[in-house]
Formats: sequence, structure tokens, C-alpha cells
Amino acid sequence: AQKVTQAQTEISVVEKEDVTLDCVYETRDTTYYLFWYKQPPSGELVFLIRRNSFDEQNEISGRYSWNFQKSTSSFNFTITASQVVDSAVYFCALSEAHTGNQFYFGTGTSLTVIP
Amino acid sequence: DSGVTQTPKHLITATGQRVTLRCSPRSGDLSVYWYQQSLDQGLQFLIQYYNGEERAKGNILERFSAQQFPDLHSELNLSSLELGDSALYFCASSISPTGGDQSNYGYTFGSGTRLTVV
Repeated sequence: AQKVTQAQTEISVVEKEDVTLDCVYETRDTTYYLFWYKQPPSGELVFLIRRNSFDEQNEISGRYSWNFQKSTSSFNFTITASQVVDSAVYFCALSEAHTGNQFYFGTGTSLTVIP
Repeated sequence: DSGVTQTPKHLITATGQRVTLRCSPRSGDLSVYWYQQSLDQGLQFLIQYYNGEERAKGNILERFSAQQFPDLHSELNLSSLELGDSALYFCASSISPTGGDQSNYGYTFGSGTRLTVV
């Protein structure tokens, strides 16, 4: 079974629109970590955020915000006022305490921001 | 620069050949992880080493092997290469062997080695 599901394969938005990328995870651990990474066309994986399972506070960093809800096992990512430079593939990932630092990645959401 | 160095950045080789990918972790990090990103399998965990010892194994083929040396750099060896092994191979590093101590510590990925098997 897939531990991390990113149901949106591709999303296109017009510049300055807001966009939310969905992430649903599955784990039996009580201690786990959730991540978002950005992969621009150049290929590298850029770390965006990490949350642990005990901290459900939503977080905002500039135009980026994250909504962590344990009740629905979701960790959604919103980009406000999207820009062309936001065009990339975004990955959500899960790390469980009992399996160590191994990451389970979702299949990624390809975001295209149209100028 | 993430601090994790992977060489080479690109590699083109023929089927049946053997290649070695190299990873130098960020200074102070003891754990090294290898991931494979292919079109059909996505991003998959291959193997983890911590301070020279194998710590965890994922979906790593028997034709693949890895090791971590005393200076903590790691090598991923891929042998009897097939067309399907073409992928982006990432190395990541962290300071600890498990997820238990992660306060604000992030996992750091290298920029990857793109392997093309022809």
C-alpha cells in the first residue's frame, strides 16, 4: 500500500493564482515526520519543510503555507500568489520513527505556473 | 550548495557494464542514504549506512551494492546494467541513524547523478 498519496499528478495555474497541493499519508507510528520537497527542472531536491507528528501547528513561510491535519492524515501545501519560478515537481514524504530515516515519497505533483 | 556532494553528475554507459556512484555527506553527518528516481518507480529508498555499517535496506537489487568508508563517503555500485536502471540516483545525509532525534534537523540531499544506460 502506498504510504504517501499525492492524487494530483499535474496542476496548471495562471500566475498570481493560489494553488494547493494535496498529500495524504498512512502510518501506524505515533512518531513520524512529514516533508515537502521541490524538484525544479534542474533535478535537485530542495527541502521546503519538515513537521513532526506532535506538532499540528500550521506554518507559513512567505508565500508558502502548510496545513497538517492528523485527523485526516493530510499535509497539504499551499502556494499563494504563484509565480513562474514555482513551476516544479513537488514531493511529499513520510519518515517513520520505527523504520529510521527512510523516506517514503509520494509520486509527486507537477506544477506549471503560466505567465 | 547543500553540502552533500555527488559525483559524477552525469554518466552514460552501455548495458552489461558496471558503474560506481560516489557521495560525500555533509560535514558531521554519519548517515548516508541512497535513493533512485526513475520514471516508472518514482523516488525509492535503496539503502542506508550509518558510520560505516549498513543500517537499512529498501528496494535495492542484488546487482547493486553500496558501502560507506571510514571517511564516511559512500559508493553505490551498479553492475550488469540494464536499460531500466537509467535513473537519477540521489544521496542524502543526516547526523543520526534513526528518526528519533529530529528536532529541527533536516535531511539533506545531493544534486544527484543522472545515469543513462544505452
